[in-house]
Amino acid sequence: GNSVTQMEGPVTLSEEAFLTINCTYTATGYPSLFWYVQYPGEGLQLLLKATKADDKGSNKGFEATYRKETTSFHLEKGSVQVSDSAVYFCALSRGSNYKLTFGKGTLLTVNP
Amino acid sequence: NAGVTQTPKFQVLKTGQSMTLQCAQDMNHEYMSWYRQDPGMGLRLIHYSVGAGITDQGEVPNGYNVSRSTTEDFPLRLLSAAPSQTSVYFCASSKSGRVGTDTQYFGPGTRLTVL
Repeated sequence: GNSVTQMEGPVTLSEEAFLTINCTYTATGYPSLFWYVQYPGEGLQLLLKATKADDKGSNKGFEATYRKETTSFHLEKGSVQVSDSAVYFCALSRGSNYKLTFGKGTLLTVNP
Repeated sequence: NAGVTQTPKFQVLKTGQSMTLQCAQDMNHEYMSWYRQDPGMGLRLIHYSVGAGITDQGEVPNGYNVSRSTTEDFPLRLLSAAPSQTSVYFCASSKSGRVGTDTQYFGPGTRLTVL
């Protein structure tokens, strides 16, 4: 079946540091890939997505590239801010099965 | 637009009690779903609906019932609460069931504790 594996947290960084959160997936065919962010006490928000191989999703300074050859969708940001502190979820959707398959989430804490 | 709203925000139940978690959206979305979020497990789909009168099971449906009598509302019923149902519950909606392309909008969640 479909699955998503993302790096274990928590991740603690200083402000302006470079961020990478690894995400790999297992799925047949060509799933759509997503990163969601959950700020403390809130629901999930879509951060970015990519629907086909080599697509790059970007938003708020975050980027992720859909790599079919390595089945990966790593999240990156060049300079994190304290306001980026949140839990980040990688997810995929495959075909018409009406659901998102989520990774376990990675807690990011950015210190001033 | 209020988006997706959920009530209550917090709830404590005793084993065996029943309750309904409410979810409503004002975006005229056809697709609605319920997820549960447990520590270290990400989110798992409980039930979903592709339109009024149509519901189906997700990956963890046992112990939960749903119905969809209107486009706006999608309540989740716990028939006889168990400690294993202690979790944070999220409702989500999107324009259609094309989850791969339509943006999912999530509610703020309901934190449920079953003693």
